[in-house]
Amino acid sequence: GQNIDQPTEMTATEGAIVQINCTYQTSGFNGLFWYQQHAGEAPTFLSYNVLDGLEEKGRFSSFLSRSKGYSYLLLKELQMKDSASYLCAVRESQAGTALIFGKGTTLSVSS
Amino acid sequence: DVKVTQSSRYLVKRTGEKVFLECVQDMDHENMFWYRQDPGLGLRLIYFSYDVKMKEKGDIPEGYSVSREKKERFSLILESASTNQTSMYLCASSFPGQVSTEAFFGQGTRLTVV
Repeated sequence: GQNIDQPTEMTATEGAIVQINCTYQTSGFNGLFWYQQHAGEAPTFLSYNVLDGLEEKGRFSSFLSRSKGYSYLLLKELQMKDSASYLCAVRESQAGTALIFGKGTTLSVSS
Repeated sequence: DVKVTQSSRYLVKRTGEKVFLECVQDMDHENMFWYRQDPGLGLRLIYFSYDVKMKEKGDIPEGYSVSREKKERFSLILESASTNQTSMYLCASSFPGQVSTEAFFGQGTRLTVV
């Protein structure tokens, strides 16, 4: 079976730091992806982790612990435009290259 | 830039109609995917294809079929549309084999079945 969990909603204020957690239980593991999706738009790629540790990309960072089945997306210096849904997805080696998604976390940033 | 284009942004169809959702990508990607996205359920994989004429069922293939006659085009077919197929449909594509390859998404087709 497969299960990918992330919080449904989070709120934060401009300039703050927020951490969105994702836990997964999948039959295989071949990488974890984070996507951002603004309302009414397509998901866009943010980050990728396949080895344990932190990947940093500007204001966004993503962390992976394969032994714990855990990842987080860290957003720093939040801006209003960061209000969006954040999707955690796992690629299971046994499922070819298709991504299996969590239900997404809706982040609301207020001033 | 990678471009994944879905033929329609909005569609309204009647129950029982045969519906075709078209997706075209211009980056020579081998892999193509169809997902549906519903509130509270996230993105769920319907079908994917890793080569021309090849297809694999995803998590929710019932009521759908697909066609991949050309590398750049992947069609989702609802043989007899039902109201529970009202949803946002997202097409995506990617290269295979390379572990770090992300999927690129089209803008989505919001289908309403009445």
